[in-house]
Amino acid sequence: DSGVTQTPKHLITATGQRVTLRCSPRSGDLSVYWYQQSLDQGLQFLIQYYNGEERAKGNILERFSAQQFPDLHSELNLSSLELGDSALYFCASSVGRPQGTDTQYFGPGTRLTVL
Amino acid sequence: AQTVTQSQPEMSVQEAETVTLSCTYDTSENNYYLFWYKQPPSRQMILVIRQEAYKQQNATENRFSVNFQKAAKSFSLKISDSQLGDTAMYFCAFISNAGNMLTFGGGTRLMVKP
Repeated sequence: DSGVTQTPKHLITATGQRVTLRCSPRSGDLSVYWYQQSLDQGLQFLIQYYNGEERAKGNILERFSAQQFPDLHSELNLSSLELGDSALYFCASSVGRPQGTDTQYFGPGTRLTVL
Repeated sequence: AQTVTQSQPEMSVQEAETVTLSCTYDTSENNYYLFWYKQPPSRQMILVIRQEAYKQQNATENRFSVNFQKAAKSFSLKISDSQLGDTAMYFCAFISNAGNMLTFGGGTRLMVKP
């Protein structure tokens, strides 16, 4: 157990809908990262937050957004869902330097299925 | 941009034997960090080992060790005394000292046979 928690474990929804994925980092970690794992794209970095502020953006679609709250948990919002958004979404956390050279510890992931 | 390549999509090894997984990367950075993560059938991403590029000594964690060749930009993982629980996808990952994101290779599926 990495100490990173993600809810829900599974999510099944329809095209055009909106969902929210939640992540709680390890105790004391200030940085949260979101990654998407799909069959065709592999593991891709989406976005990083450090102590409530956005620090880095990767291949994140405009339909996707995220935020980190004062208690350091983070939410990833996916809207206008398409079939291709079906994937495993991971949250990871690290201790706290703004640059991500601290080891990132991954949560169990949320499997999103868009029908 | 950095790239990470794992040239072995699948590998198998007999229980108790040794196997080496290959990884190469491309970067113009001098300071960076390399990782191996394991993803068993449960899909959890588990850190196996970490290597700092400025360290010449290869990292070791119990049965897992790496062969880090900085000039060749190679970072292979050796698993000794393979166990059935080592069956998993293994991902090599890179992060630069100035970066925020892990860049992953495509993964190697390892099957440990009894």
